[in-house]
Amino acid sequence: DTGVSQNPRHKITKRGQNVTFRCDPISEHNRLYWYRQTLGQGPEFLTYFQNEAQLEKSRLLSDRFSAERPKGSFSTLEIQRTEQGDSAMYLCASSFTEYQPQHFGDGTRLSIL
Amino acid sequence: SQQGEEDPQALSIQEGENATMNCSYKTSINNLQWYRQNSGRGLVHLILIRSNEREKHSGRLRVTLDTSKKSSSLLITASRAADTASYFCATATNAGKSTFGDGTTLTVKP
Repeated sequence: DTGVSQNPRHKITKRGQNVTFRCDPISEHNRLYWYRQTLGQGPEFLTYFQNEAQLEKSRLLSDRFSAERPKGSFSTLEIQRTEQGDSAMYLCASSFTEYQPQHFGDGTRLSIL
Repeated sequence: SQQGEEDPQALSIQEGENATMNCSYKTSINNLQWYRQNSGRGLVHLILIRSNEREKHSGRLRVTLDTSKKSSSLLITASRAADTASYFCATATNAGKSTFGDGTTLTVKP
């Protein structure tokens, strides 16, 4: 399968813990995006990369959030000191260029106890 | 707040009927895309229409774009139970960033 892969699919953790999600995009795609989605809402943009460069971060991305794409391939999204409000589905998408359709993974559902 | 807004929020129809969903947006765009999302899954790209295009077809899907009204519509003809899903529009600016609306939940009854 050469689609976008996200791991883990579901993460349950206690408030205050750190969590890290991984996204493996389609191999030839230069652009990689992270979104957050809550129930009944559309995806909210968090950040995106052009190869290894992080080009934009949403104001939704507080100092507790950090994303990396070290070699321009896979990406990680880390949330430190998780809070109840961080509970959501975290979606990763990739595209060949900024004007091409985005291909989404099935997301990581984060539940904060 | 989101750039795109879909209308209606929810739509319920019988199999075989047509479904029309609308999207309005606020700023100038490079293109507009429609996506489908089944429960618990990621989004699947359906169709992309560029700002200089007015209509596009893909199988049972027809998308229109009116840049003067800053609106788009998605028509699904001869709907099937498998079309049950949430449908989102996403607008891409010339900077390349896409902004999604909150979606229309479509239920197709067998």
